[in-house]
Amino acid sequence: QVHLVQSGAEVKKPGASVKVSCKASGYTFSANYVHWVRRAPGQGLEWMGRINPNSGSTNYPQKFQGRVTMTRDMTTSTAYMELSGLRSDDTAIYYCARAVPGGSTWTGFDFWGQGTLVTVSS
Amino acid sequence: QSDLTQPASVSGSPGQSITISCTGNSSDIGGYNYVSWNQQHPGKAPTLLIYDIANRPSGVSTRFSGSKSGNTASLTISGLQAEDEADYFCTSYTSRSPVVVFGGGTRLTVL
Repeated sequence: QVHLVQSGAEVKKPGASVKVSCKASGYTFSANYVHWVRRAPGQGLEWMGRINPNSGSTNYPQKFQGRVTMTRDMTTSTAYMELSGLRSDDTAIYYCARAVPGGSTWTGFDFWGQGTLVTVSS
Repeated sequence: QSDLTQPASVSGSPGQSITISCTGNSSDIGGYNYVSWNQQHPGKAPTLLIYDIANRPSGVSTRFSGSKSGNTASLTISGLQAEDEADYFCTSYTSRSPVVVFGGGTRLTVL
């Protein structure tokens, strides 16, 4: 059974960094892209990027270039998303999600983590 | 404001069929066959219903089907059941940045 389990809620001050983890189980971690998505209060879903666990290659949208870093640890089947230079509008729930096997690898997220609330406040 | 436009709400009676639309443009839905649909019950993680326009992951009921015409993708749910009451959102690949965009979500009410 596929599971993605994320780390717990974080409270950070403006300018700080946050690193969220996403531990995968129940499948071959290297086989599927892991995406990161966030939802700010009252806002829609926003795509933050993806990582290929097999190669470690990443894709980030322009908006987050220079501020987001996605990595993985193959020994623990864990993906990480680090966001730096936090601002109040980074307050959101952050999700990891697996790209469905056999799909395009860009869309089609079949399993999601439970979400991690990151609050940015002075 | 989301990049893809969905109706805020739809409703139907048990046994009926409903269709939820997701409208974009030629840079996203119209240009690629990379549209997916997720269902989300309150307080739960989303589940994938359809990917790449019309493909169902294993285990997803055949009552859920997807299609595309021009710049609009659609999710059809046939034989509505009470447990279908949930939020539904679409996702598409796009040639712009960010390359993945979402619809604002549609709340389905089963009357």
